[in-house]
Amino acid sequence: DQQVKQNSPSLSVQEGRISILNCDYTNSMFDYFLWYKKYPAEGPTFLISISSIKDKNEDGRFTVFLNKSAKHLSLHIVPSQPGDSAVYFCAARGGNAGNMLTFGGGTRLMVKP
Amino acid sequence: DVKVTQSSRYLVKRTGEKVFLECVQDMDHENMFWYRQDPGLGLRLIYFSYDVKMKEKGDIPEGYSVSREKKERFSLILESASTNQTSMYLCASSSNPELGQYFGPGTRLTVT
Repeated sequence: DQQVKQNSPSLSVQEGRISILNCDYTNSMFDYFLWYKKYPAEGPTFLISISSIKDKNEDGRFTVFLNKSAKHLSLHIVPSQPGDSAVYFCAARGGNAGNMLTFGGGTRLMVKP
Repeated sequence: DVKVTQSSRYLVKRTGEKVFLECVQDMDHENMFWYRQDPGLGLRLIYFSYDVKMKEKGDIPEGYSVSREKKERFSLILESASTNQTSMYLCASSSNPELGQYFGPGTRLTVT
């Protein structure tokens, strides 16, 4: 049973608009959440993270929101650029699992010029 | 910059062969990980290591083993490759989990 789910396998957005990628989780012990971006033929790269004690973290065009009661997090990219086209994975760290991360299935974002 | 390298980008092996995937990191990280990535399933943890000669099973360790004889090197071993082990294999390392894990470029393994 997947503890971290990204229900949208793909998302298409026009350049300059907002991209919203969603992630749901089931394990209330998760205490840290991360987003990774992956281009084809490359390994994932860390994008942004958020601690469970916060509800928002912002870094430039990227903002992550966490709704603990709904066990939901989202990544907002504003404005979207064609170079943002990639697969995005959300990941969660368990409170008692040390450095282990549980990943979602990924969402492929396509930003159209 | 952290660099994680993997020995091969593409590998084709026959069923039953023993396969070694090598990973090296140059930032003196304590923690190293092996994942496989399959469409729709994301990244699934096979094994990880938090110190030399230490290893822990991840979510899908069956059919795999690992070796960590030196801090910078973490090897994944498929004792007898099977077609269902055809996948993208990703190695990662980290020191501070809150800064994320650093990934290598991946090895696409095809078992025929």
